[in-house]
Amino acid sequence: ETGVTQTPRHLVMGMTNKKSLKCEQHLGHNAMYWYKQSAKKPLELMFVYSLEERVENNSVPSRFSPECPNSSHLFLHLHTLQPEDSALYLCASSQGGLAGGLANEQYFGPGTRLTVT
Amino acid sequence: QQQVKQSPQSLIVQKGGISIINCAYENTAFDYFPWYQQFPGKGPALLIAIRPDVSEKKEGRFTISFNKSAKQFSLHIMDSQPGDSATYFCAASAILMNRDDKIIFGKGTRLHILP
Repeated sequence: ETGVTQTPRHLVMGMTNKKSLKCEQHLGHNAMYWYKQSAKKPLELMFVYSLEERVENNSVPSRFSPECPNSSHLFLHLHTLQPEDSALYLCASSQGGLAGGLANEQYFGPGTRLTVT
Repeated sequence: QQQVKQSPQSLIVQKGGISIINCAYENTAFDYFPWYQQFPGKGPALLIAIRPDVSEKKEGRFTISFNKSAKQFSLHIMDSQPGDSATYFCAASAILMNRDDKIIFGKGTRLHILP
């Protein structure tokens, strides 16, 4: 596997379910990100992990919970989601650590298309 | 202060023509301006990026023009090809001293090149 991989590619879940999205990067990067991409809205940065340290994004509801066990893996745990959370969730990685992470090239995975019913 | 306004929302260009997408930002702290290209079913991929110390950057058929005083930057695709049909996102980011890195994306432009 090369680049950034995400699983599953598609997910349908009910509002009472608990599920997790997985991201893995094979690029040796030290920063990883979760983005939400909704139709007709700008790409929204949800969470940043740099050197396995999380940078909070206060606008993200607590029903989204990220986990970064090491620099290659990133999870997004989902519980009691709402229909408006249906979107494409993109993972990305970059090299540079916290000070330079967002100003360095980000490599995106293909995304997980999430539908909440 | 944190918005990046991108236009047009969609664009149709004849093969061989020039595609132009514009972005404007408000926060003068931004110091890195990338453009990403996204094909259906794929994540965005970095196309070209510029820092505010230059007014233009060219890579092949793709050129970024940057106007620091107007806080605007644009992507020009010369000799547009059907394979360029995709959604393009501009973005602006800043490295801030208090760990609060920011990156703001435009809403995207759906480009269609007619064969």
